[in-house]
Amino acid sequence: GAVVSQHPSWVICKSGTSVKIECRSLDFQATTMFWYRQFPKQSLMLMATSNEGSKATYEQGVEKDKFLINHASLTLSTLTVTSAHPEDSSFYICSARRTGGNANTGELFFGEGSRLTVL
Amino acid sequence: DAKTTQPPSMDCAEGRAANLPCNHSTISGNEYVYWYRQIHSQGPQYIIHGLKNNETNEMASLIITEDRKSSTLILPHATLRDTAVYYCLSSNTGKLIFGQGTTLQVKP
Repeated sequence: GAVVSQHPSWVICKSGTSVKIECRSLDFQATTMFWYRQFPKQSLMLMATSNEGSKATYEQGVEKDKFLINHASLTLSTLTVTSAHPEDSSFYICSARRTGGNANTGELFFGEGSRLTVL
Repeated sequence: DAKTTQPPSMDCAEGRAANLPCNHSTISGNEYVYWYRQIHSQGPQYIIHGLKNNETNEMASLIITEDRKSSTLILPHATLRDTAVYYCLSSNTGKLIFGQGTTLQVKP
């Protein structure tokens, strides 16, 4: 199957700093990527849809100025958590859909996730 | 996207078939049914998806009822490594919204 890589896999930062998480599709191009957040013992919550070359679409309740998403190429999307606070500590997961495939039928490939801990 | 409902947990004996049900009674005609699983602290892993017909791959089989209001994921010979949270989702927009899933515990 296709590979989606996230970096870093885990990060610890101080409160008030910004953290960037990268999501790369390694062997396919992805016009659309998705960012999820998962708290302990909870399900994945969709945060935003990242579209190559255009602005991300955020889900209701997700602060776009706090969670900056950039999708500058067909293989890379980044999520920047700005001015991170302890409540932002979570497992952040991205997924990507192969470009050219039917958007309604193809499977999404997920990254391994990035665990953020804000002290 | 249609809401899906799954039992919160299930047990299965190692080597036996695991049958995981999912209800999607409000699914629309062009929505696909997707199954993913998540092993602790990892990203979700794609298992299988389908529209109307039953599907089978190297991991599992997907049985969709004729009215498409429910489906069953079948792991033919469950192993301890199949212990995970299994998510059933439906979508026609390319966006997947996760519910709480079913925690499958495979026991020796």
